[in-house]
Amino acid sequence: DTAVSQTPKYLVTQMGNDKSIKCEQNLGHDTMYWYKQDSKKFLKIMFSYNNKELIINETVPNRFSPKSPDKAHLNLHINSLELGDSAVYFCASSPRQGRGETQYFGPGTRLLVL
Amino acid sequence: QKEVEQNSGPLSVPEGAIASLNCTYSDRGSQSFFWYRQYSGKSPELIMSIYSNGDKEDGRFTAQLNKASQYVSLLIRDSQPSDSATYLCAVNRGNSGYSTLTFGKGTMLLVSP
Repeated sequence: DTAVSQTPKYLVTQMGNDKSIKCEQNLGHDTMYWYKQDSKKFLKIMFSYNNKELIINETVPNRFSPKSPDKAHLNLHINSLELGDSAVYFCASSPRQGRGETQYFGPGTRLLVL
Repeated sequence: QKEVEQNSGPLSVPEGAIASLNCTYSDRGSQSFFWYRQYSGKSPELIMSIYSNGDKEDGRFTAQLNKASQYVSLLIRDSQPSDSATYLCAVNRGNSGYSTLTFGKGTMLLVSP
């Protein structure tokens, strides 16, 4: 299947822990994104990478560190998890970085911080 | 002023009716507009994209864009219970060449049989 995939699907952890979420796309796209959807369902951009290069970094705490080993993968590492980090994290990709490009979303990772 | 505004709903329509979903945006420089559908517990999936003023039709869906009024809408004809979902309006804002989508909070649509 051609798609955007994420692991894990669910993540339950304690405050203060460090965790990582992985994302892979086999669509051949150049650009990948991380979004956060909070409990009120508001979907907000966090980061964007184009060909492994960080191009967008919205006002996200530096406890969040994305990493793109190649253009098909974009991982998100979160240090010192806080209760407010509980949310659904979506990875997305688009063919290129232009303004008209359609973004395709992965299934999401549901993070619960206790 | 919020960047992308939608009525949170729920919008309730009977099966077979036309559902009309509306969205306004604040950045006059926005050039690309998207409607995503999100079922509960699932990821957003693209329904329609529109870039020019006017109407764009795809099956039962019609997107309408009015840049002068900073308004974009989605009409769903012959609504089906399977259309019940949250519809997210997304706008590609700003003057940069980057594809940064700003989403509205979504309108929940409920189609009753």
